[in-house]
Parts: sequence; C-alpha cells; structure tokens
Amino acid sequence: KQEVTQIPAALSVPEGENLVLNCSFTDSAIYNLQWFRQDPGKGLTSLLLIQSSQREQTSGRLNASLDKSSGRSTLYIAASQPGDSATYLCAVSGYSTLTFGKGTMLLVSP
Amino acid sequence: GAGVSQSPSNKVTEKGKDVELRCDPISGHTALYWYRQSLGQGLEFLIYFQGNSAPDKSGLPSDRFSAERTGGSVSTLTIQRTQQEDSAVYLCASRTVARGNTQETQYFGPGTRLLVL
Repeated sequence: KQEVTQIPAALSVPEGENLVLNCSFTDSAIYNLQWFRQDPGKGLTSLLLIQSSQREQTSGRLNASLDKSSGRSTLYIAASQPGDSATYLCAVSGYSTLTFGKGTMLLVSP
Repeated sequence: GAGVSQSPSNKVTEKGKDVELRCDPISGHTALYWYRQSLGQGLEFLIYFQGNSAPDKSGLPSDRFSAERTGGSVSTLTIQRTQQEDSAVYLCASRTVARGNTQETQYFGPGTRLLVL
C-alpha cells in the first residue's frame, strides 16, 4: 500500500525566505506526483504536476523536483510571501487514484 | 468556467441519522472522485466513478457508506446511521478521464463539512 509522508508538518518563516518542503513515498510505481495548496475552508488547488518520466517542474516562484527511484520530491518556494501561507499537500498518482500526505502547514509572517 | 460544486457546504446532524452529500463535477468530466479529510489526517480516497460505474470502491470505510452517479454527471455520497467518527470534510474532484498516465490534474470542489453530534 502506498504511503506518503511530508516533512515538516508545520513551518513558520519570515517573509522573503526561500524554503523547501519535503515529500516521500514508499512505492515508486507512480504515474505522476502533484503538489496542491489548501487554504482554510477551501478546496485544493493544483500547483505543479510532475510526470513520472520528468525530474522537475517550475511555475513562477515554485519549483518541484521528483526522484522516483528514491521515492522523494521537494517543493521549493523562492522569496516567500505572506500570501503563500497555506497547507501544502503532496499526492502521488496510481492507476486511477491519488494518495495524499498529511501536508505541511506553512505560515509566512510579514 | 464553472468548477466543481458541492452541497451543502456545511451539515450538522445527529448520531444515527442519514445524510446525503452532493457533487456536481465540471461539465464533460467523466471521472469523479470522493475523498474524506478528517481532523489531523490526510485526504483518504473513498470511491471513484468512470461514467456511472464505480470500478474502485475500496476506500469506503464501511457498508454505511454508499455512492451513486447518474447521467454521468451528479454524484451523491450517502452515509447511513451516522457516527461521530464520520465527522470530516468530504471532498469531491473530477477530471476528464480516470486512468492512465495523464498530465491532467483532478479539480477539487470546496468540500462539505460534516459534523455528527
């Protein structure tokens, strides 16, 4: 059974810092890996999707990497802003479903 | 365009009552998913539909939980004889196709927050 672990569970940083969120998964037979953002009381918003054959994806200040063989992914956020405060979820895709980690709760203070 | 919608947004019920949660996927999306997010837990997969059929119901926690989808569109998740441990946020998602190596993400609704007293 696929298990996804995210470290740290919570992170508090001052505005402007660069930061890294970590995700690990136990079964490397995945189709893709996604990073989502969840704001309180809201649904999930997809940030980046990395296909299993890819090594990284970038969108603006976000960069996600994937090392499928070692079962690891990182989400790098550059020059963090208070608006980045949210819970970040990592999810790996099997044939038809997603398996999620418990998330990293990020707080960026002004 | 319109995204995934869910209703009600909040539901408070008494232990033992039945509840129905509704999901309206994005038009044209044949795949529909239900997840549950309990306090302090990650999202748990419950069930997915491809069209009106449910090839994978493995995540349903007990026989009190059931779901159906009609017309390849709206889906209803029903919880019978609710228990306090059923309290959670129930999220619905949809995408064009269910399977395979695709770059398409799942699009999530805002969720229904269920509280069982």
